[in-house]
Formats: sequence, C-alpha cells, structure tokens
Amino acid sequence: DARVTQTPRHKVTEMGQEVTMRCQPILGHNTVFWYRQTMMQGLELLAYFRNRAPLDDSGMPKDRFSAEMPDATLATLKIQPSEPRDSAVYFCASGLVRGDRQQETQYFGPGTRLLVL
Amino acid sequence: SQKIEQNSEALNIQEGKTATLTCNYTNYSPAYLQWYRQDPGRGPVFLLLIRENEKEKRKERLKVTFDTTLKQSLFHITASQPADSATYLCALEGSSGNTPLVFGKGTRLSVIA
Repeated sequence: DARVTQTPRHKVTEMGQEVTMRCQPILGHNTVFWYRQTMMQGLELLAYFRNRAPLDDSGMPKDRFSAEMPDATLATLKIQPSEPRDSAVYFCASGLVRGDRQQETQYFGPGTRLLVL
Repeated sequence: SQKIEQNSEALNIQEGKTATLTCNYTNYSPAYLQWYRQDPGRGPVFLLLIRENEKEKRKERLKVTFDTTLKQSLFHITASQPADSATYLCALEGSSGNTPLVFGKGTRLSVIA
C-alpha cells in the first residue's frame, strides 16, 4: 500500500532553532508539494517540485524557509530560524503529472505538527 | 482575485439524512474540481474528481455536481453515517493550466446518531 511518509510527526522547539521536516513521496510520483495548515488560513501551498526541480516557492517566506529535493525519494523543508508564528501542521503531498495538465490527485502524508515556543 | 468558498465552517445533520456541502469559486476557469476528506490529525484523502465537461459524478454514497455557469460544486453524502463525520475540502486547479490545486478551507461535517 503506497503512501507518503513524513518525519517527524511532532516537533516542539524553541524560537530561533532550526527545524527540518522530511518527506518520502510515493515511488513513481513526479510532483511533490509542501503545504502548511492552520485553523485561520486553511491549507496553504508553500512550494512544489516536479521531477525534483522547484517550480514555485512563492508561498514560502524566503528569508527563513527553504525546500529541496536532494533525490527522487526525499524532499525536505527547513525553517531557520523558527518563530512562534510558524506553529502549524506541515503536509507533504505527491502526485503524478500526465500530459500538459497539472495532475489529477494528490496523496498527502500524515503531516508534521510543529510547535515553536 | 481568485477565491474559493465553502458554504459553512460546520454542518450538523442527523444520521440517515443527506448531507450537502457547497463549494463556490470566483475568477477561476478550472478544468476540474476535486473533493477531499480530512480526519482529525491526518492528511486530506482524495475522494472524487469531476471535470468541467461532467455535470455529475457518483461513487457509492457520494455524489458531486459541477456547474461551471454558477461556478459551484455540490457534494452530497446520502444515507449519512456517524463515520462520515470529517472535514471536507474542495480543490480547484489553478487558473492557468499548469498550476497546482488551490484548496478551500473546508466544511466540518458532524453526523449525529
């Protein structure tokens, strides 16, 4: 049963510390997304990759967030330095692009629940 | 600017009734629309996709309609059960072909036994 995995599932850290979240997309999927979910804003797209190349990271605060895909089986999202307002649930999702359309469905991981004190 | 609205934050219905959730959008011309279910502490799970040239799609007790004139999708759960209680999110393809999905904030459905 193929699924997206994310680590860690929970993270509590102090303001100013670096946070790294990892995602393993479903094997064979060529598109990876990072989202942040809060009660106020809902699900917000932070960045996404296709074939490991970053396509759009306009949703990310560039000064503190960075997203990379060092290989096809790993995507990372880093926050440095972290701030209390970064507290949220961070989801990774993967999908398969066919033809010239974006993709048909996204498969989400279980999320990383981040609390910055 | 582009906007997706789901009719209400929360909806309570009696078990056995039909739940109807609404997704309205403005300033989009989506090629398709999707519905996802999200349970507490979990990621969204894909339920149904409906394309712009389809009026209706069904899957078991679920039915989705897509009216591109009204810019609206309705999501129905017939014979609702307490296990259907969850948050339901609609998502649209972005306005220009090759852009990611944009999600609504969701409607939290509670089915009361």
